[in-house]
Formats: sequence, structure tokens, C-alpha cells
Amino acid sequence: DGGITQSPKYLFRKEGQNVTLSCEQNLNHDAMYWYRQDPGQGLRLIYYSQIVNDFQKGDIAEGYSVSREKKESFPLTVTSAQKNPTAFYLCASSPQWERVQHFGDGTRLSIL
Amino acid sequence: AQSVTQLDSQVPVFEEAPVELRCNYSSSVSVYLFWYVQYPNQGLQLLLKYLSGSTLVKGINGFEAEFNKSQTSFHLRKPSVHISDTAEYFCAVNPNRTNFGNEKLTFGTGTRLTIIP
Repeated sequence: DGGITQSPKYLFRKEGQNVTLSCEQNLNHDAMYWYRQDPGQGLRLIYYSQIVNDFQKGDIAEGYSVSREKKESFPLTVTSAQKNPTAFYLCASSPQWERVQHFGDGTRLSIL
Repeated sequence: AQSVTQLDSQVPVFEEAPVELRCNYSSSVSVYLFWYVQYPNQGLQLLLKYLSGSTLVKGINGFEAEFNKSQTSFHLRKPSVHISDTAEYFCAVNPNRTNFGNEKLTFGTGTRLTIIP
């Protein structure tokens, strides 16, 4: 079955710690995205990548980093510089020929 | 730049009653429009999209939406709701620029639809 897999589903971070959220897709999509979702604020774009080895900052990139070494994978690292990381993180992908973004089931990050 | 306004943060509706979820957008260019649904602790699922052509768009689960360019609106409707429609609904826009690759989606803040038995 083709789709987007995010792991882990739940993640806890200690103060001063970096954590990495995984996003893998087997849809052969070119573009991938990371969003942060907070209650009442909708989805805000963190980073996006249209091709391998290239990515752009979204609206709230501070405190986050990404890499795109493979077409299938777009991991997000939440660094210790992100002072309010508690949120629901969603990964999405889309093919070049279609404007529809397909979403994974998300990772919920909490602070210990 | 684009923006999306979903005027109602919460909408309670009795089962089998009709519902309309409102979405207005602002953009300096023409846009593509989308409605997504999110069930608790899950990702977003596409309900329907407007890219071009007929302004009345039909989607999954009996939902439809009408694109109104003069009012810059894309309201979502369903004639008779079911308990399973309880979810959060997001409207989104994407600039219609064919000389670019995939463009960013701009989302509204969401409308929580609660169906009352």
C-alpha cells in the first residue's frame, strides 16, 4: 500500500535535547512538506522540499532543521533552540503533476 | 501572498440536518482551493478540490463546495450530516501559477464540526 509513514506516533523531549521525526513516503512524490499544528492555529509550514538535496524555509523554520538526501525521506529535527516544541507535526508529499498534498498520520511531540 | 479565513471555529449540528462551513480567501493571483478533513489524532484527508471548470465541486462522503470568485468564497456543504462527520475541517488555497512546481498551501484555522445525535 502506498502512503506516508511518520514515526514515532508519540515523542517526548527533554530540555536541551534535539529530537528527529521521521517521514517516509513510497508514493514516488517529488515534493515533501513539514507542518506544525497547534490548537486553533491551523497548520503552519516549517520546511518544504521540491527535489532531493534542496529545501526551503517555510513560515516558522526557526529552531528546526531538515535534510532531503533521498526522494523517499524528509526527516525533521526539532533542536533545543525551539523553545515551544509541544505540538502535532504533520508530514505531507505531493507529485509534480498534482496540487494535492497527501498527509501522514502525524507525530505528537511533548516536553518532559 | 494568500490568506484563508474560516469564520466559524466550532459548528454544532443535529444529525441528518444540513451544514455549511464557510471559507473566504484573499489572493492577488488566481488560486486553487481545497477542503481537507481531520479525524482525531490523524493526518488530513482531501475532501474535494477546485482547480478549474465547474464552480460546483463534489467530493467524498457526500460533501460539495461552490467556488464564488466575486465573493472570494469556497463554502463547504452537506445536505444531511451523520455522526461520522464529526471532525475538523480545513480550507486551503494554493496559487495558480503554472510556471512553478508545487507551491505552498495556505490553511485556514479550521472548523470543528460536532454532530449532535
